[in-house]
Amino acid sequence: NAGVTQTPKFRVLKTGQSMTLLCAQDMNHEYMYWYRQDPGMGLRLIHYSVGEGTTAKGEVPDGYNVSRLKKQNFLLGLESAAPSQTSVYFCASSWGQGASNEQFFGPGTRLTVL
Amino acid sequence: AQKVTQAQTEISVVEKEDVTLDCVYETRDTTYYLFWYKQPPSGELVFLIRRNSFDEQNEISGRYSWNFQKSTSSFNFTITASQVVDSAVYFCALSGPQMIKAAGNKLTFGGGTRVLVKP
Repeated sequence: NAGVTQTPKFRVLKTGQSMTLLCAQDMNHEYMYWYRQDPGMGLRLIHYSVGEGTTAKGEVPDGYNVSRLKKQNFLLGLESAAPSQTSVYFCASSWGQGASNEQFFGPGTRLTVL
Repeated sequence: AQKVTQAQTEISVVEKEDVTLDCVYETRDTTYYLFWYKQPPSGELVFLIRRNSFDEQNEISGRYSWNFQKSTSSFNFTITASQVVDSAVYFCALSGPQMIKAAGNKLTFGGGTRVLVKP
């Protein structure tokens, strides 16, 4: 049982490049989330999904896109990276509505945009 | 809108001292959930505790204890007899009711408090 895994762990991009971060969970969780962590600001929600094939915007969605084609995977895309997107990205998952709702987090991806 | 404030950005203590982390929240929901997460130097967030708005019973678990006071919108966390391994960033977080599936179980985090325990 690996829990929540994220690929890659580290990445350096040049401004304007694109990339996709992959999140996978093996707990059969209904909900999945992408957060970014910046110094002194805690974690802020980028996008989330309440089920396969569904996605919704969080607090800071601009510049990011997501897809949830399979229940166990949640992809975060950056189409044209900007230095302001330098951050640590965390994926999380949780049970669905009416169930125990603590979120389980992946190890994070440290992204630097030059 | 929900808001979580952790006024203490960093706390430094000597091993075996007690340390209390403050958390104040704002929400218009009558049903909500409060959480504490720990982020050790390795970077991964570890779930510590969840409380719902109807459960004001304070709890002690080993060296950890939590004080939830709805009247002051506070959910404070205390580490008793701190150890070096307690050095981490601690986050308080808030989520709303789970009545609407489309809303998800989104978390609003505070800015975090870095705890440094010196030997």
